[in-house]
Amino acid sequence: DAGVTQSPTHLIKTRGQQVTLRCSPKSGHDTVSWYQQALGQGPQFIFQYYEEEERQRGNFPDRFSGHQFPNYSSELNVNALLLGDSALYLCASSRTSGGRTSTDTQYFGPGTRLTVL
Amino acid sequence: SQKIEQNSEALNIQEGKTATLTCNYTNYSPAYLQWYRQDPGRGPVFLLLIRENEKEKRKERLKVTFDTTLKQSLFHITASQPADSATYLCALVFLDSGGYNKLIFGAGTRLAVHP
Repeated sequence: DAGVTQSPTHLIKTRGQQVTLRCSPKSGHDTVSWYQQALGQGPQFIFQYYEEEERQRGNFPDRFSGHQFPNYSSELNVNALLLGDSALYLCASSRTSGGRTSTDTQYFGPGTRLTVL
Repeated sequence: SQKIEQNSEALNIQEGKTATLTCNYTNYSPAYLQWYRQDPGRGPVFLLLIRENEKEKRKERLKVTFDTTLKQSLFHITASQPADSATYLCALVFLDSGGYNKLIFGAGTRLAVHP
């Protein structure tokens, strides 16, 4: 049973560029959440996708956008990169049933380390 | 303001001792609380969940308590081993009006267990 997978593992970009990160949820899960974790901090919630729509969003600017595909995989896009966007980006999956979260826990992937120079 | 506080300084203990980590929060009313383990450069791994109506939860060498009056959770690792060295994150979980759960994480406490 494959867990949550993310790609790429590491990424280096320069200021102003755009980046796309990818996530495949755990088998049987249909909901994907994205988090940003700066060094020495806890993960910060960016947004959550279910049924190919964003259904929750944290306090992140519109430069952060996402997408969910029919196979439940997801992408996180960040435009106009800033130095402060350097962080570990985590994807977590869970399952929704009857429109409500049915799994008590979220399963995290290994993350993508983004460095902005 | 809303805050989640975990010991920012690393906790150093000797192998075999009990490690106790603290998670305090203010101005939140979570449905439940979770503890995660995170190794450097890796994603968090779920350890334990405790609901607001539960006082204590155990799993093997792990024990979590949850005091909603004090707004505090304690996480204990008994008979600690060097392999327990990692950062431990507490996360408050909220159920919004749509029934979706949302996690708010603390910054984590780094635990180092020395032989």
